Amino acid sequence: NAGVTQTPKFQVLKTGQSMTLQCAQDMNHNSMYWYRQDPGMGLRLIYYSASEGTTDKGEVPNGYNVSRLNKREFSLRLESAAPSQTSVYFCASSEGWGGTNYYEQYFGPGTRLTVT
Amino acid sequence: GDSVTQMEGPVTLSEEAFLTINCTYTATGYPSLFWYVQYPGEGLQLLLKATKADDKGSNKGFEATYRKETTSFHLEKGSVQVSDSAVYFCALNQAGTALIFGKGTTLSVSS
Repeated sequence: NAGVTQTPKFQVLKTGQSMTLQCAQDMNHNSMYWYRQDPGMGLRLIYYSASEGTTDKGEVPNGYNVSRLNKREFSLRLESAAPSQTSVYFCASSEGWGGTNYYEQYFGPGTRLTVT
Repeated sequence: GDSVTQMEGPVTLSEEAFLTINCTYTATGYPSLFWYVQYPGEGLQLLLKATKADDKGSNKGFEATYRKETTSFHLEKGSVQVSDSAVYFCALNQAGTALIFGKGTTLSVSS
């Protein structure tokens, strides 16, 4: 049981290049999330998928797109990378979303992206 | 909107010292409160949680009590170890929505 896995672990891009960050979970969770972590800023939500087939914007969605490929996989795409997107990206998943219950989020190990 | 404020770090302690990391929140309704820990080079892990006022969350010697009257959820540990060196995040959640994180506090413990 690997939990949440992310690839790649490290990536360096030039301004204007594109790339896709991959995330997969093996816990049969319904909901998945992408966060970015910047020094002194904590974690900020980029996009989330409450259930398979749905995606919604979070706090900082500009410059990103996402795809919920199936229940297990949730990818994050940078179409034209900018230096401001240099960050550590975390994927997370949880059993559910909404209602009156709290669903614990489980995090992947992160992808460290540098855009030059 | 909802927000979380935590004390700025870094916090530097000697082994066996007492630890307090302050966390206060602003939220409508009755959020659930959490402490996450991030060890070097790793993702975040849930350390402890409290889902209603006066609840005490505890794990691995760490404790935090949900104080609605002071809108606080301070993290404490009686005797820290070098292995506790990490970044600690306070967070809140309303009705199963996305987590809102504080900016994180770096703890460094020396032997």
